[in-house]
Amino acid sequence: AQTVTQSQPEMSVQEAETVTLSCTYDTSENNYYLFWYKQPPSRQMILVIRQEAYKQQNATENRFSVNFQKAAKSFSLKISDSQLGDTAMYFCAFGVMDSNYQLIWGAGTKLIIKP
Amino acid sequence: EPEVTQTPSHQVTQMGQEVILRCVPISNHLYFYWYRQILGQKVEFLVSFYNNEISEKSEIFDDQFSVERPDGSNFTLKIRSTKLEDSAMYFCASSESGGYLWKLFFGSGTQLSVL
Repeated sequence: AQTVTQSQPEMSVQEAETVTLSCTYDTSENNYYLFWYKQPPSRQMILVIRQEAYKQQNATENRFSVNFQKAAKSFSLKISDSQLGDTAMYFCAFGVMDSNYQLIWGAGTKLIIKP
Repeated sequence: EPEVTQTPSHQVTQMGQEVILRCVPISNHLYFYWYRQILGQKVEFLVSFYNNEISEKSEIFDDQFSVERPDGSNFTLKIRSTKLEDSAMYFCASSESGGYLWKLFFGSGTQLSVL
C-alpha cells in the first residue's frame, strides 16, 4: 500500500527565514506525481508545487522549491524568504499516474511564520 | 483565474437526513473528484468521476454515497442517510486531464456537521 509520511506536525520560523518541510512516501510504482498543497485558515486546498517522478530536475515555483530524492522516496518543500501569508497547513500528497488519479495524503505540517 | 466553486460552505443536518453537496468544476476540466477531511485527520479520497461515470471509489464511498453530473456544469455528492461520522470538510476537485498534465484544483470545501 502507498503511504505518505510527514514527520513534523508543527514548525515555526521568523518571517524572511527559509524553512524546509519534510515528506517521505512509500510505493512500488515507478510513474507517479508528488504534490505540496497549502491549506490556510480558510481551509481551501491550494496547489503549491508539483513534481513528476520521471523528472530528475527539482520543481520550483517562485519562493517554493522541492528536493526530490527518488531513491530515498523523499520529497521536501523549501520555502525561501518566508512571509506571514505562508502560515498554513502544508500537505504532501502522492498520486500514481494511472486512469484513477486519486491522491494519497500525508497528515500535514502546521507552519507558523512569526513576525 | 478559474476556480472550483462549492456550495454551501457550511451545512448542518440531522442524523439520518439526506444532504447534497454541490460543486462547479473548472469549465474545461474533464475529471472530477470528491475528498473529505475529518477534523484532525488525513484527507481521504472518496471518488473520481470521468466521462459520466465513476472511475474509482474508496471503501468510504459505500451505498449511502452517490455522485452525479446532472448538467454540463454541476457535480454533486449525495449522502442518503447521514451518520455522525460523516461530519467532515468535503472537498471537490477537478483536473483538465490525466496523464502528464495531471494537476488537481480544489474548491474551498463544504463543512458538513451531522447532529
